Amino acid sequence: GESVGLHLPTLSVQEGDNSIINCAYSNSASDYFIWYKQESGKGPQFIIDIRSNMDKRQGQRVTVLLNKTVKHLSLQIAATQPGDSAVYFCAETLGSARQLTFGSGTQLTVLP
Amino acid sequence: IAGITQAPTSQILAAGRRMTLRCTQDMRHNAMYWYRQDLGLGLRLIHYSNTAGTTGKGEVPDGYSVSRANTDDFPLTLASAVPSQTSVYFCASSKNEAETQYFGPGTRLLVL
Repeated sequence: GESVGLHLPTLSVQEGDNSIINCAYSNSASDYFIWYKQESGKGPQFIIDIRSNMDKRQGQRVTVLLNKTVKHLSLQIAATQPGDSAVYFCAETLGSARQLTFGSGTQLTVLP
Repeated sequence: IAGITQAPTSQILAAGRRMTLRCTQDMRHNAMYWYRQDLGLGLRLIHYSNTAGTTGKGEVPDGYSVSRANTDDFPLTLASAVPSQTSVYFCASSKNEAETQYFGPGTRLLVL
């Protein structure tokens, strides 16, 4: 079946810098994408979502970019803080299946 | 506080025993889901329910069963636990299918 993957399993950034977490998807029919944050020992927490009719969406300190041409999704975190350290997952909804498929995650570590 | 609760928080279970993981949400969401999370494999969908009274199979349904007698509760049952079912189990819900899912805190299960 189709899958969602991540370019890098780990990412380390200095506190205050911007972070960019990337995600590739393979199904061009996917029409809804979500980023989740998972802290150690907790369940995934919704961060931001984007539908396929958009290419950018902004939240508080976070921006999601969608490039349908190359089937690429990214999460940008501005002024990264220690509390941003977590595993970040992208997920997609396939138009016909209507279920979320998750990538394996990227561990973000914020260095002091 | 509105949200999803799971019980138990953790459990050690002998192989061959029957176990039910509980999940309750108070957001009046129509859809509910069960995932398992294993290191390196991300979140995999076990079963889902798009509305009370209906259930469906996800990616990894074997060895698990669910029921959806009402909107709020979605228990997951392991009829005869095996060591490969050692995992962290997350319940999630969404207002409707293919919308943003909100996750519970998880149940950590060890099958010996």
